[in-house]
Amino acid sequence: QKEVEQDPGPLSVPEGAIVSLNCTYSNSAFQYFMWYRQYSRKGPELLMYTYSSGNKEDGRFTAQVDKSSKYISLFIRDSQPSDSATYLCAMSVSGTLTFGKGTMLLVSP
Amino acid sequence: EAGVVQSPRYKIIEKKQPVAFWCNPISGHNTLYWYLQNLGQGPELLIRYENEEAVDDSQLPKDRFSAERLKGVDSTLKIQPAELGDSAVYLCASSLGGARTEAFFGQGTRLTVV
Repeated sequence: QKEVEQDPGPLSVPEGAIVSLNCTYSNSAFQYFMWYRQYSRKGPELLMYTYSSGNKEDGRFTAQVDKSSKYISLFIRDSQPSDSATYLCAMSVSGTLTFGKGTMLLVSP
Repeated sequence: EAGVVQSPRYKIIEKKQPVAFWCNPISGHNTLYWYLQNLGQGPELLIRYENEEAVDDSQLPKDRFSAERLKGVDSTLKIQPAELGDSAVYLCASSLGGARTEAFFGQGTRLTVV
């Protein structure tokens, strides 16, 4: 079992939909949680960074962490075709980031 | 502010040849990472530096891979000799360090070994 599990998708939604992306993890020592967006042939771009359990909102994006269930989520409201990309969750302990495989999101106009 | 800069963007080499990748992190970032990303996979850590010190290189294949971070700034990752299975994207990232682990990535170097 990998430390971080993420459904690879693809997840296809119509423009304007609310998108839910999720990761589970097994290492209870993880302290910091991040979501990255990666467009094809580009490096990962940091979207959200959280530390504690609960919700953090930034524009159309909401990151949710449930440490008791070892489960994190990223919600995207009013999804746009430009949101089509691969979304990677990442978590860290002692400075090293461990990534999920990424979920490919396709938002159709 | 400039982001993480990597070069080259693309590299095609024949197997058994050496290759080197260069990374310039964000100014002031003490932590530097090299990650490997295969198609359809998430990045996997090769090595992490805190300033000049390699503090996590447990996943670096030391028989053929080497890395250095001179003066705690720029870093070079080398493969010698390259194998067909080394074809992948090599990503460099940096972070402030300490409790600030959010990492910022460069565009990566896409290596093709033929």
